[in-house]
Amino acid sequence: DGGITQSPKYLFRKEGQNVTLSCEQNLNHDAMYWYRQDPGQGLRLIYYSQIVNDFQKGDIAEGYSVSREKKESFPLTVTSAQKNPTAFYLCASSIHSRLSGGHQETQYFGPGTRLLVL
Amino acid sequence: GQSLEQPSEVTAVEGAIVQINCTYQTSGFYGLSWYQQHDGGAPTFLSYNALDGLEETGRFSSFLSRSDSYGYLLLQELQMKDSASYFCAVRDRVYSNYQLIWGAGTKLIIKP
Repeated sequence: DGGITQSPKYLFRKEGQNVTLSCEQNLNHDAMYWYRQDPGQGLRLIYYSQIVNDFQKGDIAEGYSVSREKKESFPLTVTSAQKNPTAFYLCASSIHSRLSGGHQETQYFGPGTRLLVL
Repeated sequence: GQSLEQPSEVTAVEGAIVQINCTYQTSGFYGLSWYQQHDGGAPTFLSYNALDGLEETGRFSSFLSRSDSYGYLLLQELQMKDSASYFCAVRDRVYSNYQLIWGAGTKLIIKP
């Protein structure tokens, strides 16, 4: 079955520590996204990637970093510079925006990783 | 700038009909999507409107008026499992890339 997997489901970070959240998809999608969701809030875009070896900052990129070395994988690192990292992190993928043009671009989400600070 | 407005919470009775509104302001509008998210879960796609009018998918319908920058999600024959948060999202062109701009979500509370 095709889909998006995220691991771990829960992650605990110590003060000053960098942690990496995994996101893998086998949907053959070119575009991948990382969102942050705080309790009772909407989704805020951290980073997105339209194609391998390219990624763009979203609205709240400070304190985060990403890489896109493979089409299937888009890991997110929460660095020590992110002072308030406690949140629900969601990874999503979709077909390439430029290929879809003005048409529907459904985003498919992974189950999420809940990050907590010790 | 870009912004989406939707009510923070809506309450309805099981079996009834409820409408969740969304107004938007964007620079390069391409379409309006609706997603459902249950507590602790991931958002799942419900519907998409690129043209004016009503799109129907089972008990759910979505409407768009581009001239009014307004859309709504209509849920009929409400079931307890429909209790969730509903997000509208606008497909917008930002420079050379397309992005989904998300509303803050509407929490739908269904009472028996």
